[in-house]
Amino acid sequence: GAGVSQTPSNKVTEKGKYVELRCDPISGHTALYWYRQSLGQGPEFLIYFQGTGAADDSGLPNDRFFAVRPEGSVSTLKIQRTERGDSAVYLCASSRLPLAGGRNEQFFGPGTRLTVL
Amino acid sequence: GEDVEQSLFLSVREGDSSVINCTYTDSSSTYLYWYKQEPGAGLQLLTYIFSNMDMKQDQRLTVLLNKKDKHLSLRIADTQTGDSAIYFCAEDSSASKIIFGSGTRLSIRP
Repeated sequence: GAGVSQTPSNKVTEKGKYVELRCDPISGHTALYWYRQSLGQGPEFLIYFQGTGAADDSGLPNDRFFAVRPEGSVSTLKIQRTERGDSAVYLCASSRLPLAGGRNEQFFGPGTRLTVL
Repeated sequence: GEDVEQSLFLSVREGDSSVINCTYTDSSSTYLYWYKQEPGAGLQLLTYIFSNMDMKQDQRLTVLLNKKDKHLSLRIADTQTGDSAIYFCAEDSSASKIIFGSGTRLSIRP
């Protein structure tokens, strides 16, 4: 079946602009995650959705970052007033319902490379 | 706080074994993971180990876990050119969050 897809694959924007990044999870996966990967670093957790609600948004760096998942499937990561430091690859992952103490196998999309000029 | 550390680079000769090491800080992690990232491709789960295990073997891959020292390693036997990639060690700090290391870039010499 289809894996996690993300659009666009590349996004170039100017400092101060607003951007939206989209994630289509694997069908039937109730959990969805956003990560940010800066150059030379590992993915850094941003936010986790269980269904439509954000169950953990502790990784969002500041209030310029916001994410939604209105119907419990597709999610959009929104960044307001972009800054050059926001340049990174934004990764989305999905998984089946993670159980407490259970293995959380997250399937990752190819990412969106965001460049803020 | 939560932190996962690993060396940045490893170079091995084709056919030799590769050993990638990692240390982590969260002793409550239930599972520890190794992910592989190739250029232009997404992160791929390579293997994992339950925190109560010491070792797990899966074909050419061997994972060793020293829970006392919070040390995890990945051994790749008979390393091939297709194994060239960045390898990330990761731990689950909660049911939702996975903490990744900075990655080890594995390069293969002919």
